[in-house]
Amino acid sequence: DAGVTQSPTHLIKTRGQQVTLRCSPISGHKSVSWYQQVLGQGPQFIFQYYEKEERGRGNFPDRFSARQFPNYSSELNVNALLLGDSALYLCASSWGTAEGQPQHFGDGTRLSIL
Amino acid sequence: AQSVTQLGSHVSVSEGALVLLRCNYSSSVPPYLFWYVQYPNQGLQLLLKYTTGATLVKGINGFEAEFKKSETSFHLTKPSAHMSDAAEYFCAVTPMGGGFKTIFGAGTRLFVKA
Repeated sequence: DAGVTQSPTHLIKTRGQQVTLRCSPISGHKSVSWYQQVLGQGPQFIFQYYEKEERGRGNFPDRFSARQFPNYSSELNVNALLLGDSALYLCASSWGTAEGQPQHFGDGTRLSIL
Repeated sequence: AQSVTQLGSHVSVSEGALVLLRCNYSSSVPPYLFWYVQYPNQGLQLLLKYTTGATLVKGINGFEAEFKKSETSFHLTKPSAHMSDAAEYFCAVTPMGGGFKTIFGAGTRLFVKA
């Protein structure tokens, strides 16, 4: 079975632009979470979605938004890009929202802002 | 607020030596605890998890971790290091009864010397 897939793998943008990152969860998984991993740090929670509804949000500005589609895939959108948005963006899926479930991670999208 | 502290950003061991990676969390209620491994240019892979029950948890690749409530610790060990264990290791917690946000430590990079 395919794991979590993310696209694109790499992306270069300039300040002020907008970007959309995509994620397809493992088949059967209904929950998708997004994380930002700045170089040299651990992942920081951005959003969790379940059944197309936002179920959790981290401490990120409103420039960050996301949505989940009926097929459980998800998009992360970032507006008005800043140099500090340069990071590896990770998507993770899990079967449901029961606490304590481990998450399955994709290989991420590396976003570079010039 | 929950936090995770990983002692030592870098740990170096010789091949065949004991691996010990330290993790402490701050919480009045024991959370769900996880260890993930990240190889270069890849996402995170679950090594092991603690939810309830036995406090000594065995994971993949010969790793294990022990939950000690009195010390709020969840240290990761492996009796004999292998060259393939060289990677970044992340300790993570998910609050019990408090939502779906997973908090990661800053990570410990493990170097294995031949």
